[in-house]
Amino acid sequence: AQTVTQSQPEMSVQEAETVTLSCTYDTSESDYYLFWYKQPPSRQMILVIRQEAYKQQNATENRFSVNFQKAAKSFSLKISDSQLGDAAMYFCASLTQGGSEKLVFGKGTKLTVNP
Amino acid sequence: NAGVMQNPRHLVRRRGQEARLRCSPMKGHSHVYWYRQLPEEGLKFMVYLQKENIIDESGMPKERFSAEFPKEGPSILRIQQVVRGDSAAYFCASGRRGVRNEQFFGPGTRLTVL
Repeated sequence: AQTVTQSQPEMSVQEAETVTLSCTYDTSESDYYLFWYKQPPSRQMILVIRQEAYKQQNATENRFSVNFQKAAKSFSLKISDSQLGDAAMYFCASLTQGGSEKLVFGKGTKLTVNP
Repeated sequence: NAGVMQNPRHLVRRRGQEARLRCSPMKGHSHVYWYRQLPEEGLKFMVYLQKENIIDESGMPKERFSAEFPKEGPSILRIQQVVRGDSAAYFCASGRRGVRNEQFFGPGTRLTVL
């Protein structure tokens, strides 16, 4: 079974600084997808970034980038130039290609951005 | 192009009542997924449906919970005889046939059981 672990329940960062959120996962599959979702106080789940396991290049979306280490089964999210609007819960998730369609989520990291 | 719609956004029920949660997928999407988020937890998969078919219900509790996605109309998640432990946020996501790596989430329904 797939598992996703986020070892940082809470993190904080100063506005304009950079922060990295950690995620590790476990899967026996060779092909899968990894995601980071943001959940602000409104509780809407917003897709931040996704990575396909067969792609070696790390995904990047504006100020958000990932460090995907396939051998270590690590998938961390880096937020550069942090903004107040980045404050939210961040969830790491995985989806296995060829298996069930279900996303498996970690327990989340609460990010606080200090002005 | 409307996103995934869920209603109601908030639902209050007393123990023993029934709760019905509705989800309308994005236009052109034929796959619906339901997830539950307990307080201070991540989302947990419940069920995956396509039109008129339940594809994977491995995350559904064995009793009191059921889901459907009829040919016409929204997907319904039904909880019979609710208990306090059912209090949670229930999220629906939708996706397109043949596209495995994207699920768009609705705003969720927060169920409170008194």
